Amino acid sequence: ETGVTQTPRHLVMGMTNKKSLKCEQHLGHNAMYWYKQSAKKPLELMFVYNFKEQTENNSVPSRFSPECPNSSHLFLHLHTLQPEDSALYLCASSQHQTGAPNTGELFFGEGSRLTVL
Amino acid sequence: GQQVMQIPQYQHVQEGEDFTTYCNSSTTLSNIQWYKQRPGGHPVFLIQLVKSGEVKKQKRLTFQFGEAKKNSSLHITATQTTDVGTYFCAGPSGGYQKVTFGIGTKLQVIP
Repeated sequence: ETGVTQTPRHLVMGMTNKKSLKCEQHLGHNAMYWYKQSAKKPLELMFVYNFKEQTENNSVPSRFSPECPNSSHLFLHLHTLQPEDSALYLCASSQHQTGAPNTGELFFGEGSRLTVL
Repeated sequence: GQQVMQIPQYQHVQEGEDFTTYCNSSTTLSNIQWYKQRPGGHPVFLIQLVKSGEVKKQKRLTFQFGEAKKNSSLHITATQTTDVGTYFCAGPSGGYQKVTFGIGTKLQVIP
C-alpha cells in the first residue's frame, strides 16, 4: 500500500476507443506525475502537475490528455491510441518544496497495464 | 536534455555473490535517487544522495555519489533471492520537477 491508487489495473482497448486512467493519492502531496514504462526502455516522464497546474508536458502526443481537477486526483484520457502505446502507465506523487531544484521521493502507484489492439 | 546512463542492463549472480550497478550523468546532478522495482511491481524509493562523495548504507546495500556529482553506484553485498528486481537511478533534469530515470539494471539471483 503506497498511498497512490491507480485504476483500472488492466485495460484492453481498440484504436478507436476512448478510455481514462485514474490516479488518486492519499499522501497530501502537491505534485503528481504520469510515467510510461515500456519493455527495454527507461521510465518516460509524460506529465507533471504541481498544485493542479501542469508544469511539464514531455512532448507527449495529443492522443494522451491529462486532467488534474485537484491535488489528489489525476486522470489520463486516452483516445485513438496506437499499438505502440501499449505499456505500463505509472502514476506518482511527491511533496515538492518550493524553490528547490529537485523533487522529494516519488511514491508510485501499482500502475495500469494498457494493451492497445 | 540531461541523460542518465545505467550499466549493466542485466546481471545474473549466484546467491551470496556481490552485485554493483553504476549510473552516469552527462551533467552535474543536484541529487540522485535510487529505486527498486520487483517483478510485476512498481518502483519503490530506496534512497536519495545529495552531497558530493556521499556514502550511505542500508543493511547490505551501499550507495555512493561521486565527487563530481555525475556518477553514482549501488552495491549489494552477499545477494539474496529477495534482492531480485530492477534497480533504477534517477536524477533531476532540466525542468523544475522533471526526474529522469536510467534504463535500470535487472538483477537475477540464482539460488
